[in-house]
Amino acid sequence: EAGVVQSPRYKIIEKKQPVAFWCNPISGHNTLYWYLQNLGQGPELLIRYENEEAVDDSQLPKDRFSAERLKGVDSTLKIQPAELGDSAVYLCASSLVAGVTNTGELFFGEGSRLTVL
Amino acid sequence: AQSVAQPEDQVNVAEGNPLTVKCTYSVSGNPYLFWYVQYPNRGLQFLLKYITGDNLVKGSYGFEAEFNKSQTSFHLKKPSALVSDSALYFCAASSNDYKLSFGAGTTVTVRA
Repeated sequence: EAGVVQSPRYKIIEKKQPVAFWCNPISGHNTLYWYLQNLGQGPELLIRYENEEAVDDSQLPKDRFSAERLKGVDSTLKIQPAELGDSAVYLCASSLVAGVTNTGELFFGEGSRLTVL
Repeated sequence: AQSVAQPEDQVNVAEGNPLTVKCTYSVSGNPYLFWYVQYPNRGLQFLLKYITGDNLVKGSYGFEAEFNKSQTSFHLKKPSALVSDSALYFCAASSNDYKLSFGAGTTVTVRA
């Protein structure tokens, strides 16, 4: 079974440029998460989708970040314009059903490492 | 608000020795507790969880964790560490059904 696929794995951009990250969750997983992981820190939730609906985007900086999950499968996270402080790893995760208590686990992709110069 | 603390940035042990990775949490109500492991250039992988029931939880790769409500701790343990256990370990907690708070991580190095 294929895992969560993210691309690109690495991205280097100049500040003020736009960038987009793509995530393909495990087939059949209705719940999709985007996490931000700064160096030396644990992941922090940015947004959670149930199918195509963003049910929790309270931690997403909406002035420059946007996300979409068309058709409830793949998802894209966009930053425009990027700032120096956005340099981090962006993680995508998916789970079969809503709630960690049901599945006990999230399945994470390898992440997209962003460097903003 | 919920939070997780992993007091040790690094843990170094010799192969064959017991391994303990510490975690304390602050969660309102009953906590849901998890351990994840991250190998180099890999995504986070689920190890084990505590939802309810026995305080000692067994998980993948011979790991176990003990929930201690009075000390608000959920330490990860392995009786005999392997070199292949060298990785970054994250403790996570939740007070509800989906929003996990992760600790900063503990790097485990097991020397041969």
